[in-house]
Amino acid sequence: EPEVTQTPSHQVTQMGQEVILRCVPISNHLYFYWYRQILGQKVEFLVSFYNNEISEKSEIFDDQFSVERPDGSNFTLKIRSTKLEDSAMYFCASRYPDSLNEQFFGPGTRLTVL
Amino acid sequence: AQSVTQLGSHVSVSEGALVLLRCNYSSSVPPYLFWYVQYPNQGLQLLLKYTSAATLVKGINGFEAEFKKSETSFHLTKPSAHMSDAAEYFCAVLGNAGGTSYGKLTFGQGTILTVHP
Repeated sequence: EPEVTQTPSHQVTQMGQEVILRCVPISNHLYFYWYRQILGQKVEFLVSFYNNEISEKSEIFDDQFSVERPDGSNFTLKIRSTKLEDSAMYFCASRYPDSLNEQFFGPGTRLTVL
Repeated sequence: AQSVTQLGSHVSVSEGALVLLRCNYSSSVPPYLFWYVQYPNQGLQLLLKYTSAATLVKGINGFEAEFKKSETSFHLTKPSAHMSDAAEYFCAVLGNAGGTSYGKLTFGQGTILTVHP
């Protein structure tokens, strides 16, 4: 069964460093998402991406964040200068183009900023 | 704007007992509602979804949920809990700002279900 994969499973970084979180969505999916979950809090929407551009973003997704689909298979989230409060579990999701269809989630990357 | 509230961050039941996880939503448009489950060290897996068809929705692993518009609720139930049901459960509503939906999900706080022998 096709699945969304994410790497790495755990990333530890120093405050101020850049990190790139990687996702490989399901191959025929066209909508891509990033969500995050700070420990003990809700899963929060960050950004959606369709047709090679951001379609919607939350207020969390400021200039420190960017997304890219560099090669038609990977979908990346970059944080330019990490802060302590960026420590969270980051989930990638993808879906086929039907608004009723399920979003398939990856297992997540746990980002720890020291 | 849509929002979801899950009552009870932790629910504990005995194996074989009824599972009831509560979810209330707020939405200015007819909502699409989802329940996801997260097992330890895994991603979110869809249990079931309501998309304005039947109000009683059946999902995987014996779970079902009933959409009640008058109560703005979408509670998740299972008649008989199994040890393997122990996980965290999330209720979510699909965003539909201005009639355009790119599929943004708004999640509740999550409910951790513990099943004891």
